[in-house]
Amino acid sequence: ETGVTQTPRHLVMGMTNKKSLKCEQHLGHNAMYWYKQSAKKPLELMFVYSLEERVENNSVPSRFSPECPNSSHLFLHLHTLQPEDSALYLCASSQDLVTYQPQHFGDGTRLSIL
Amino acid sequence: SQQGEEDPQALSIQEGENATMNCSYKTSINNLQWYRQNSGRGLVHLILIRSNEREKHSGRLRVTLDTSKKSSSLLITASRAADTASYFCASLERSNDYKLSFGAGTTVTVRA
Repeated sequence: ETGVTQTPRHLVMGMTNKKSLKCEQHLGHNAMYWYKQSAKKPLELMFVYSLEERVENNSVPSRFSPECPNSSHLFLHLHTLQPEDSALYLCASSQDLVTYQPQHFGDGTRLSIL
Repeated sequence: SQQGEEDPQALSIQEGENATMNCSYKTSINNLQWYRQNSGRGLVHLILIRSNEREKHSGRLRVTLDTSKKSSSLLITASRAADTASYFCASLERSNDYKLSFGAGTTVTVRA
């Protein structure tokens, strides 16, 4: 148990569907992150939130829309996705946005776009 | 852009042997971290080494950092089947306070 829970674990959707990924952390952390992990590629940072404020949008297409209603919850809203968006989406949290703290990851949502 | 690159991409060893993997990075860093990922799971933080440190130990793990060569190594001693996983280095650039740059990972298989 890492303290970061992601749902659903698996998601299959068509390109015209709208779905949301959910992340919840039980660690009392103030910073949360979304990453994309594709096969044989390094993790790609997508979004960063600190105290519910977005501080990073790493050139992510607008078909991905993040939401952070409070410091414990993070969502990733998906619409009109492309086949190349199929990947493992990982959520992480850290105590604060400072340099010497490790990130705690959830187990991810495996997303498949038909 | 990718900051860390691991070498080798894959490693297969016998239980009880040591496993060594290397990581290279491009720019000046604040610290370097190593993570493990078991199949179908998220990443788990293993160890963090700061730029002014040269070596760090945690249980059967030993990490070295050579800032002059912009490289780090992770040594797992007396490997066990449970060490089978992918291992990633992640560097924190001096110019950025919070963005970790991950490598593509080393896949380690420990044979019983």
